[in-house]
Amino acid sequence: GAGVSQSPSNKVTEKGKDVELRCDPISGHTALYWYRQSLGQGLEFLIYFQGNSAPDKSGLPSDRFSAERTGGSVSTLTIQRTQQEDSAVYLCASSPGQMNTEAFFGQGTRLTVV
Amino acid sequence: GQSLEQPSEVTAVEGAIVQINCTYQTSGFYGLSWYQQHDGGAPTFLSYNALDGLEETGRFSSFLSRSDSYGYLLLQELQMKDSASYFCAVKRVQGGKLIFGQGTELSVKP
Repeated sequence: GAGVSQSPSNKVTEKGKDVELRCDPISGHTALYWYRQSLGQGLEFLIYFQGNSAPDKSGLPSDRFSAERTGGSVSTLTIQRTQQEDSAVYLCASSPGQMNTEAFFGQGTRLTVV
Repeated sequence: GQSLEQPSEVTAVEGAIVQINCTYQTSGFYGLSWYQQHDGGAPTFLSYNALDGLEETGRFSSFLSRSDSYGYLLLQELQMKDSASYFCAVKRVQGGKLIFGQGTELSVKP
């Protein structure tokens, strides 16, 4: 596709369930970011993948959060045993390379934990 | 640590000029970027300053002073459609993490 694609666009889950959020970056982009945004708040950094380097996981809020990027393309963010405080919009962005500062965002996944 | 500070909200009238400031506490970054996000939408890239000075793109200009750890986004001839949140961001050289400020909500009034 032409842009960053995220799925699902909306997800409602029960507290305690696991969820998987998917991100398809722009083809050829080696950098991929995940952010979390609560209503009216800023972009909270979660994790960053760059090529084949080890990901920067410094923003993951707890060990319930994990992410992987297969084949340097598609990424999945997994949240285990979801809590109500996990409710937010999860945004994925990709960028052509490490030195490139322009990031292209997907439309996000709105996660609601009930 | 690393942080970027912005005013939480700014209000201006249509046709006016508004400046959104960003101060940062970080080192070793590629440059200062600005993003726009409308309600319910995704952030979109507006501008990037790699070097000190002013960059102009149409009605929008952005400025960076590394010695003052300061930058700003200048919006001229404000239009109602400019009502949105604006985020400054830096990308660290070490590691490449892209960090955003908390955002400034701009309200343009008629």
